[in-house]
Amino acid sequence: LAKTTQPISMDSYEGQEVNITCSHNNIATNDYITWYQQFPSQGPRFIIQGYKTKVTNEVASLFIPADRKSSTLSLPRVSLSDTAVYYCLVGDLSGSARQLTFGSGTQLTVLP
Amino acid sequence: DSGVTQTPKHLITATGQRVTLRCSPRSGDLSVYWYQQSLDQGLQFLIQYYNGEERAKGNILERFSAQQFPDLHSELNLSSLELGDSALYFCASSPRLVASGGSNTGELFFGEGSRLTVL
Repeated sequence: LAKTTQPISMDSYEGQEVNITCSHNNIATNDYITWYQQFPSQGPRFIIQGYKTKVTNEVASLFIPADRKSSTLSLPRVSLSDTAVYYCLVGDLSGSARQLTFGSGTQLTVLP
Repeated sequence: DSGVTQTPKHLITATGQRVTLRCSPRSGDLSVYWYQQSLDQGLQFLIQYYNGEERAKGNILERFSAQQFPDLHSELNLSSLELGDSALYFCASSPRLVASGGSNTGELFFGEGSRLTVL
């Protein structure tokens, strides 16, 4: 199983771009990289997913280098409501057995 | 609203007791996952079911068991409860699997969790 490593915490200010990097050195060929956001006492919520290169949606971008040993979640122009824990999840989605293990997450605090 | 329903939302019980947590996945989702989240442990994967069958097992204690019923709802049974079992228990579901490389993201949809307090 691919183990992920993320910074424990990050601070940013409103309006800034935030980049959170996740290391996953032993990522497997069939593994996808997914990022989730979690607010206190709520279930995690899907943000974005990718396999390689760059993926962009309405809330974030995900950058994955060619070796796929890391990934970077980019949040443009953060607001106070983006204060949450962000999890990087690496796992094989190609079969019906999915042991999807979350890492320890990154606590992002957005300051006014 | 993720479409995943968990009951009860809160539960307080004593050590040594047994409780059952229930999860109704989103309509049409075949996979159900259980996670435990305590203050010092983060999100711990417990177990996954797919269409009624156990498919993946994580750090689930022997005192815990789960099952997925024909109507696809799932129950997590926790027995001989200890103080350390106090945590938020999340259920998640994901859509029907499609072939690798397809457009299905395999996104997990989480419920709001069941908060268990063992006194």
